[in-house]
Amino acid sequence: ETGVTQTPRHLVMGMTNKKSLKCEQHLGHNAMYWYKQSAKKPLELMFVYSLEERVENNSVPSRFSPECPNSSHLFLHLHTLQPEDSALYLCASSQYGGGDYEQYFGPGTRLTVT
Amino acid sequence: DQQVKQNSPSLSVQEGRISILNCDYTNSMFDYFLWYKKYPAEGPTFLISISSIKDKNEDGRFTVFLNKSAKHLSLHIVPSQPGDSAVYFCAASTGNQFYFGTGTSLTVIP
Repeated sequence: ETGVTQTPRHLVMGMTNKKSLKCEQHLGHNAMYWYKQSAKKPLELMFVYSLEERVENNSVPSRFSPECPNSSHLFLHLHTLQPEDSALYLCASSQYGGGDYEQYFGPGTRLTVT
Repeated sequence: DQQVKQNSPSLSVQEGRISILNCDYTNSMFDYFLWYKKYPAEGPTFLISISSIKDKNEDGRFTVFLNKSAKHLSLHIVPSQPGDSAVYFCAASTGNQFYFGTGTSLTVIP
């Protein structure tokens, strides 16, 4: 595997379910990110894990819970979601502090909440 | 409050001509600007970037221009090719925070 991978690619869940999204990067980067992309809206940065610190967007509801067990893996735990949470969730990684600012994105997980 | 704006949701250009995609930002603390390209069912792919201390960066057919006084950047693609048809996102960063625009869908007509 190369680059940034995300599983599952598609997920349909009910509002009472609990599920997790997984992201793995094979680039040796030290920062990982979760983004939400809704139709006709800009990519919204949800969480950043950089150099083992977590930075979060204060507008993200607590029903989204990130976990970063190591620099290569990132999870987004979902519980009691709402239909408006249906969106494309993108994971990205970068080498923070290395002079390069480029983020490398995974293909995304298309989430539908019913 | 959207800090990075792409006011043109779509753009159509003839093959061989120049494509110009525009982006405006509000935060003068941004120190790095990036352009990403996105095909359907794929994540965004990094295209080109520019530091805030520069006003131009060129990579093959792609050139990014930065006008800090106007808080404006643009991406020029010359010559445009049908394979360039995609959604282009402008992004700006400060530290480890990234802000994206809503994207411009470029269609290059053969």
